[in-house]
Amino acid sequence: AQSVAQPEDQVNVAEGNPLTVKCTYSVSGNPYLFWYVQYPNRGLQFLLKYITGDNLVKGSYGFEAEFNKSQTSFHLKKPSALVSDSALYFCAFKDTGRRALTFGSGTRLQVQP
Amino acid sequence: SQTIHQWPATLVQPVGSPLSLECTVEGTSNPNLYWYRQAAGRGLQLLFYSVGIGQISSEVPQNLSASRPQDRQFILSSKKLLLSDSGFYLCAGDRGSNSPLHFGNGTRLTVT
Repeated sequence: AQSVAQPEDQVNVAEGNPLTVKCTYSVSGNPYLFWYVQYPNRGLQFLLKYITGDNLVKGSYGFEAEFNKSQTSFHLKKPSALVSDSALYFCAFKDTGRRALTFGSGTRLQVQP
Repeated sequence: SQTIHQWPATLVQPVGSPLSLECTVEGTSNPNLYWYRQAAGRGLQLLFYSVGIGQISSEVPQNLSASRPQDRQFILSSKKLLLSDSGFYLCAGDRGSNSPLHFGNGTRLTVT
């Protein structure tokens, strides 16, 4: 079955340090991959997507993600973390046979001051 | 841009009572609409999606149903709530293809 996996339940990083939130995919064909962020008691907000083209995708709030076909990964990155980046992050993919997004299990990012 | 409105924000209902959660869309027409449930602040489970008025696809058999009486209105219902229906319910919409999914702020349902 096609899926995305987020291997880390939680990531801790100090403010000002670079951050990486990992996502790997098992999707046939050309994957359509997305990152979303969720703040407490809120809906998810779109950060960025990879459909085709450049492997480095830039998104909202200074985030970017790198599509790596050989490693089947789509890790989310930011050069310098802010305390306000602390939230729950979801990787997602769109199966070519379905209309809806399928989400990973989520990774909680905690940025310490 | 597209805005998804959901209400209420929180709801406490007894077991066996009915449920109606409403979602409306502003800023676009003919959206695809979705109901997701999030348990324990983690993964999202797709419950229903709709590509047009009266068109509902169910992803999992359960105690819930959905309806789309108007283009920009999506309703999640139950005739008799179960304890296991507790969770955070999120309505979302997109314009098809690979456009981003926009979410409402969710309804936290507690069944007691």
